Parts: sequence; structure tokens; C-alpha cells
Amino acid sequence: DAGVIQSPRHEVTEMGQEVTLRCKPISGHNSLFWYRQTMMRGLELLIYFNNNVPIDDSGMPEDRFSAKMPNASFSTLKIQPSEPRDSAVYFCASSGLVDRETQYFGPGTRLLVL
Amino acid sequence: SQQGEEDPQALSIQEGENATMNCSYKTSINNLQWYRQNSGRGLVHLILIRSNEREKHSGRLRVTLDTSKKSSSLLITASRAADTASYFCATDGGYSSASKIIFGSGTRLSIRP
Repeated sequence: DAGVIQSPRHEVTEMGQEVTLRCKPISGHNSLFWYRQTMMRGLELLIYFNNNVPIDDSGMPEDRFSAKMPNASFSTLKIQPSEPRDSAVYFCASSGLVDRETQYFGPGTRLLVL
Repeated sequence: SQQGEEDPQALSIQEGENATMNCSYKTSINNLQWYRQNSGRGLVHLILIRSNEREKHSGRLRVTLDTSKKSSSLLITASRAADTASYFCATDGGYSSASKIIFGSGTRLSIRP
């Protein structure tokens, strides 16, 4: 079975540009999580969805960040406009109804905003 | 804010030795998990221990949980070079949804050949 798929794996952009990160969760999983990891702040939960519905977005830094999950197999995290402090590794994870406490992580997207 | 805090932040041991990492947390929990992250990769789930359990084993891994002290430990026996990674504890903070978990800051483990 394919794991969580994220694209792109690497993204370099200039300050002010829009960035869109994509995630395909494991088939059959009903919860999806977006995390950001930096050396300074560690691993932070940004937002998570249950059954495509956003449940908790309290970790989203500011209005420049938005996330959507239009269907059970796809989610996007958008940053507009991007800033250098957004540089980080962004992870998507999913979990299912069985063994729902366990999260399965994608390989991450390494974002560098110049 | 982080729920779990790992100790030590970094650990370097000789191959074959045992590695022990500790995690302390602040609020009541339903369960606690340990994850591993190899450099440049996503996190991988290792083991979950529930609040009514005191000890759990999985291969070379042994996890203990002391809810009275709000602490957990992860022991890796007979360490190997492939165990070099960062290890994170994660707690559910007692959330009833059982979906949201909060990760600690991690322990960087290095195994010397």
C-alpha cells in the first residue's frame, strides 16, 4: 500500500509568492493532519481534519495560511503571501478508524522562502 | 505549546549499548506514543502505551509509563547504527477525540560504531 504522499518534496520560492503544498492521505483514513517542523519550534500541529471537515485550526500561524480538504483523498496547505519565516519542513499525516491514535506521516515538503 | 518534553535532548552511545530516553508531560492522558524520525524523513510510529498500562515491549523496545509522575521512558536495547535518529514522545492530552496528539521536542540519538 502507498503511504501518505506529499508534493512537492522541495520548494524554493521568493518572499511574497503563493505556495501550495499537497497531500494524499492513506486510502481509507478519515483524519488528516498538517504539521510544521523547524529547529526553533519543533513539530507544530497546524490544522487537522476529520472526515474532510476542519476540526482544529488553532495552530495556523496567521491568515496567510489556509488549508482545504475537498475530498477524502486530497488536501492542500496554502501560504499567501509567503515570508522567509515560513521556511520549514511541512508534514502531512493521516490516521484511520482502526488504530486511530496512530498517525502515518508523509515524507514532508521542505520549503525555503528567500 | 508542547505537551511532552524529552530528556536528554541529545544522546550518543556505543553500538551494542542500551539507550534510554525520558519524556515528561503536563496534563492527564489517555495514551502516550513514541515515534522515530530519521534524518530528512517523516516520523514513524514505534509504540503506543495506554494510561492503564505500566510497561510495554516491542522487539528491542521497552516503554514504561508512570502516570503519577507524568513521565515515560523508552529503552532501546542492544543499539545498532540504524537506530540513529530523533525520538519523539506524543500525548493525546486527554482529548476525547483521540485524533489530536502533541509532540515533544525530541531526543537526538547517535550510535557510534
